[in-house]
Amino acid sequence: GAVVSQHPSWVICKSGTSVKIECRSLDFQATTMFWYRQFPKQSLMLMATSNEGSKATYEQGVEKDKFLINHASLTLSTLTVTSAHPEDSSFYICSARPGQADYGYTFGSGTRLTVV
Amino acid sequence: GENVEQHPSTLSVQEGDSAVIKCTYSDSASNYFPWYKQELGKRPQLIIDIRSNVGEKKDQRIAVTLNKTAKHFSLHITETQPEDSAVYFCAASRSGNQFYFGTGTSLTVIP
Repeated sequence: GAVVSQHPSWVICKSGTSVKIECRSLDFQATTMFWYRQFPKQSLMLMATSNEGSKATYEQGVEKDKFLINHASLTLSTLTVTSAHPEDSSFYICSARPGQADYGYTFGSGTRLTVV
Repeated sequence: GENVEQHPSTLSVQEGDSAVIKCTYSDSASNYFPWYKQELGKRPQLIIDIRSNVGEKKDQRIAVTLNKTAKHFSLHITETQPEDSAVYFCAASRSGNQFYFGTGTSLTVIP
């Protein structure tokens, strides 16, 4: 089945530094990928829609200058958390849809970010 | 935008009993409603989904019902087993585009 690979699975960084998270579709092309954030014991909140070859679309309240999204190819989207702060600590997870006819998403394995 | 509400937030059932989780949505244009199961620290896994042209769908012990008029849909798990214990999320979407998730239900099946 369709697989979305996400790296790293967990990362610890110091306040003020930047962290890049990669999301790759391994056996299909994804013109669109989605980035979610999940705080402990809370739901997945959509952050942004990543579109291959164009600018990402951000949800209301998400700082586009802080969460930089790049979707340079049909199989790779990256999320960079810039100038990270402890409140950015969260579980970040990407997803993609393998086919136009199938509405089901495939999720990446997630990245646990801890900012100290 | 879409607003999805989910109840209950926690649910405990005895092994073998049924569990029901309910969700409501606000956007009448939403036409795809998946349910995801998420174990601690892991990615959500799709367990069942339903499109707006169908009122009910069943897959072994799991079923989902949809009431478009009332804008609510429910997940039914019968003959629950300890391995069903997890957090379950409902979601609503327009044609598989952005998903808006409910707040989650932590299900505990007591052996």
